Amino acid sequence: RKEVEQDPGPFNVPEGATVAFNCTYSNSASQSFFWYRQDCRKEPKLLMSVYSSGNEDGRFTAQLNRASQYISLLIRDSKLSDSATYLCVVNWDNFNKFYFGSGTKLNVKP
Amino acid sequence: DTEVTQTPKHLVMGMTNKKSLKCEQHMGHRAMYWYKQKAKKPPELMFVYSYEKLSINESVPSRFSPECPNSSLLNLHLHALQPEDSALYLCASSQDGGTLSGANVLTFGAGSRLTVL
Repeated sequence: RKEVEQDPGPFNVPEGATVAFNCTYSNSASQSFFWYRQDCRKEPKLLMSVYSSGNEDGRFTAQLNRASQYISLLIRDSKLSDSATYLCVVNWDNFNKFYFGSGTKLNVKP
Repeated sequence: DTEVTQTPKHLVMGMTNKKSLKCEQHMGHRAMYWYKQKAKKPPELMFVYSYEKLSINESVPSRFSPECPNSSLLNLHLHALQPEDSALYLCASSQDGGTLSGANVLTFGAGSRLTVL
């Protein structure tokens, strides 16, 4: 089993839609959780850190479920500019070793 | 603008060439990383330096040789590469060993796109 698993998609949604991605992780001792966004042929950029209590940043909401070992990302009112690959990243046994999911591709259509 | 700067942005080299990729950060981060990324795949960890010492080597072939001259600089020396080494090479940095959840966050450079002929 992979350390971090994501549905690769693609998720094809119309503008204005709400879309949610899940990511599962295998190690219950995981410490830190992140969502990164990566545009085609660009570097990954931090979208949000994910905190135990859940957190929101504008149209984006991230949640952590430690009991079921998954994190989620909800995007409301999707924009064309949200089209990208969303990477789930988890850190546990070594603060400097980060485990990446395979990424979920989102296409927002007009 | 990214706070981690990588040069060159693009590099084409033959299998017998020797070249280097360079990375610089001025965020006071003490951990620096090299990742390799192929198309439609996530970044794959190669090396980690912590406080200027190599702390992780993910069984990378010796034709890739990392160097950390100081806390702000990270190099990746390339020699006798193969065409399958063509990829986007990403440098990243982080605080190192954050004591709070989420404190140790990776910041990536824009990458060096390498083509081996």
